[in-house]
Amino acid sequence: AQKITQTQPGMFVQEKEAVTLDCTYDTSDQSYGLFWYKQPSSGEMIFLIYQGSYDEQNATEGRYSLNFQKARKSANLVISASQLGDSAMYFCAMREDTGGFKTIFGAGTRLFVKA
Amino acid sequence: NAGVMQNPRHLVRRRGQEARLRCSPMKGHSHVYWYRQLPEEGLKFMVYLQKENIIDESGMPKERFSAEFPKEGPSILRIQQVVRGDSAAYFCASSPLTGNQNTGELFFGEGSRLTVL
Repeated sequence: AQKITQTQPGMFVQEKEAVTLDCTYDTSDQSYGLFWYKQPSSGEMIFLIYQGSYDEQNATEGRYSLNFQKARKSANLVISASQLGDSAMYFCAMREDTGGFKTIFGAGTRLFVKA
Repeated sequence: NAGVMQNPRHLVRRRGQEARLRCSPMKGHSHVYWYRQLPEEGLKFMVYLQKENIIDESGMPKERFSAEFPKEGPSILRIQQVVRGDSAAYFCASSPLTGNQNTGELFFGEGSRLTVL
């Protein structure tokens, strides 16, 4: 069965520093996608970054990068040069490409950026 | 270029009443997902639909909850005889999944917040 684990309920980071949010997943599928979403206090869900299971290079989107370690089944999000506006909940998600494309989410990590 | 539209944004119901939440996917998207989020928790998958078909309802409670996505009109999540434990934010998302041509990223609505008194 699918499973997404985010072990950090809360994280603090100093403004302008980098932070890594952990995510591990469990799947028996060979083809799957990994996502990170941000949910600020206003409540909307914002897509940040995507990594396909067959992608050999780590995905990057601006200040966001995904540290994909397939053998370890981890997909950590790295945010560089943190900004106050990065304070939010961050969710890791996985979609298996067989059996219906269902996407499941981890429990989330709340990031606090300190000035 | 309208995004995923959910309504109502806020809904208050008394115990025993029915709640209907609507979701219009982005133009061109034929896949709709419903998720429930309790305060300070993650999104729990409920159901995945295509037009006129329920693909995966493994996250739906067996009783009182139903979902549909008709050929015409929005997807509807229906909760009958609501109880206090149904109070949550219900998010709809749509996807343009077409095989391997895209990431399958979900596009979310702003959510419908149900409060049961």
